[in-house]
Amino acid sequence: DGGITQSPKYLFRKEGQNVTLSCEQNLNHDAMYWYRQDPGQGLRLIYYSQIVNDFQKGDIAEGYSVSREKKESFPLTVTSAQKNPTAFYLCASSLNRGNTEAFFGQGTRLTVV
Amino acid sequence: AQTVTQSQPEMSVQEAETVTLSCTYDTSESDYYLFWYKQPPSRQMILVIRQEAYKQQNATENRFSVNFQKAAKSFSLKISDSQLGDAAMYFCATNAGNNRKLIWGLGTSLAVNP
Repeated sequence: DGGITQSPKYLFRKEGQNVTLSCEQNLNHDAMYWYRQDPGQGLRLIYYSQIVNDFQKGDIAEGYSVSREKKESFPLTVTSAQKNPTAFYLCASSLNRGNTEAFFGQGTRLTVV
Repeated sequence: AQTVTQSQPEMSVQEAETVTLSCTYDTSESDYYLFWYKQPPSRQMILVIRQEAYKQQNATENRFSVNFQKAAKSFSLKISDSQLGDAAMYFCATNAGNNRKLIWGLGTSLAVNP
């Protein structure tokens, strides 16, 4: 079945460590996105990519990094520079960055311990 | 700046009744899309309904329909014959942001009472 797969579902990280969240899609979508969701704050855009080997910062990119080496994959690295990384992270994709809706993965809950 | 406002943080409805969730937005764009997404306790975001701004006819999807008032920049969601499975967070969004970026509201938590 076509869709978006995020892994892992739950992730624990020690302070000072980098961690990478996986996002894979087999929908043949050009655009991919990473959002952060905190209670009472809705969805905030971290990074997005419209095409392979290209990506742009969203509203809260500081402390995060991404890569888009393959159309299907858009991993997000939460670096030690991110001051408050504990959150729910959602990956999404859309056919293009025009008028089509976004399809979402099941999310990754990251907790810093 | 483009914004999306959902003025009802929480709503409740009796099973089989009808409920309307409000959403207003601000944009200077003339061509854009509006979306309602549902986020159940599993936390996966699911598209409920989509409206194209240039279409006057309100979108419908089974028990879900919208009341789109372009001049008033209003996009409310009506859920008819509410079911227990409709309990979720509902987010309003539009791609009327800069560079077609999706702009999100803060969500409305809907409870369905048996």
